[in-house]
Amino acid sequence: DGGITQSPKYLFRKEGQNVTLSCEQNLNHDAMYWYRQDPGQGLRLIYYSQIVNDFQKGDIAEGYSVSREKKESFPLTVTSAQKNPTAFYLCASSRGQGIAQPQHFGDGTRLSIL
Amino acid sequence: AQSVSQHNHHVILSEAASLELGCNYSYGGTVNLFWYVQYPGQHLQLLLKYFSGDPLVKGIKGFEAEFIKSKFSFNLRKPSVQWSDTAEYFCAVTPNGQKVTFGTGTKLQVIP
Repeated sequence: DGGITQSPKYLFRKEGQNVTLSCEQNLNHDAMYWYRQDPGQGLRLIYYSQIVNDFQKGDIAEGYSVSREKKESFPLTVTSAQKNPTAFYLCASSRGQGIAQPQHFGDGTRLSIL
Repeated sequence: AQSVSQHNHHVILSEAASLELGCNYSYGGTVNLFWYVQYPGQHLQLLLKYFSGDPLVKGIKGFEAEFIKSKFSFNLRKPSVQWSDTAEYFCAVTPNGQKVTFGTGTKLQVIP
């Protein structure tokens, strides 16, 4: 079945370490997104990419970095500069390059900084 | 700045009750509107969407939403809820060509 795979489901890291969250899709979607979900705050957009080798900052990009070297993959790195990295991270993709298209979501990665 | 408001944070209903969840947005131009649902233990999925045309949109599982441009609203409705509708519901807005903004979500609990 086509879908979005996020790994790992749970991730623990020590403070000050960078950590990379994986997101892979086999839907042949052009656009991919990273969100952060915190209780009571809904989903906030971190970065998005509408085409390979191109990406844009979302609303809360500080302390995060991404790459889009392949259409299927959009990894997110949470750097040590992110002040409050403990959160639930969601990856999504959508058909076409228009950001208005409905999005398909992965199951998420819960990151905890020890 | 663009914003999406979902004023109901937590709603509790008995089975067969009617549901209306509010969604208001601040952008004044052309918008695309979405409702997503996250059932317990499952990933977010699209419930329904509005791009243009008939402002009354029907989605999956008996849900519908009405776009009222003059009120900047896109409220979600269901005439009779079931226990299986227990979930968190998110409204999302995309102004034409701009990035999407999600509301803070509404948790719906349906009591059998």
